Amino acid sequence: ETGVTQTPRHLVMGMTNKKSLKCEQHLGHNAMYWYKQSAKKPLELMFVYSLEERVENNSVPSRFSPECPNSSHLFLHLHTLQPEDSALYLCASSQDRGGATEKLFFGSGTQLSVL
Amino acid sequence: RKEVEQDPGPFNVPEGATVAFNCTYSNSASQSFFWYRQDCRKEPKLLMSVYSSGNEDGRFTAQLNRASQYISLLIRDSKLSDSATYLCVLDNTDKLIFGTGTRLQVFP
Repeated sequence: ETGVTQTPRHLVMGMTNKKSLKCEQHLGHNAMYWYKQSAKKPLELMFVYSLEERVENNSVPSRFSPECPNSSHLFLHLHTLQPEDSALYLCASSQDRGGATEKLFFGSGTQLSVL
Repeated sequence: RKEVEQDPGPFNVPEGATVAFNCTYSNSASQSFFWYRQDCRKEPKLLMSVYSSGNEDGRFTAQLNRASQYISLLIRDSKLSDSATYLCVLDNTDKLIFGTGTRLQVFP
């Protein structure tokens, strides 16, 4: 069983749809993250949760809404997205949110296409 | 100047070759440095941390040059399976900053 699992692997949605991305980590980590990776751009940190509490929101549009019901699960709720939101969305976890020295373990990502 | 800069490549090298990538950074206060590997359409995975004294893991050697603000990754005896994108990662205050990556293609 992989450490961090994400579903779905691929998602195509219209701009009026509502969908959710799911992430589950089996590593006993306390911190979870959502990253966005667009073509030819570096990974962008979207949200950080530590012990189920959101500790960072990097000015992400409100059409992205995270939810962390417990330390093992993380969701990203999507609604009224724009075509420029098409990207690879990666979930990651680390033992603690101890700053930049924490090593990240990534899920396989959700490739999102917004039509 | 970008926080992290990498040559996007691709670097096309034959099997058995030695190849090196550099990554420059702008924040002189950065303390932690890493190389991640990302295969096509897959997630990044930690390859190795980069220490001030440099470190080696098999065919891979990573070095840090604080004076010139760059880190490097050297791959010896390249294998076909080394084909991937290599991401330079470092800290900025309390979060990680990723480079856009350098693509390596090893051919037979």
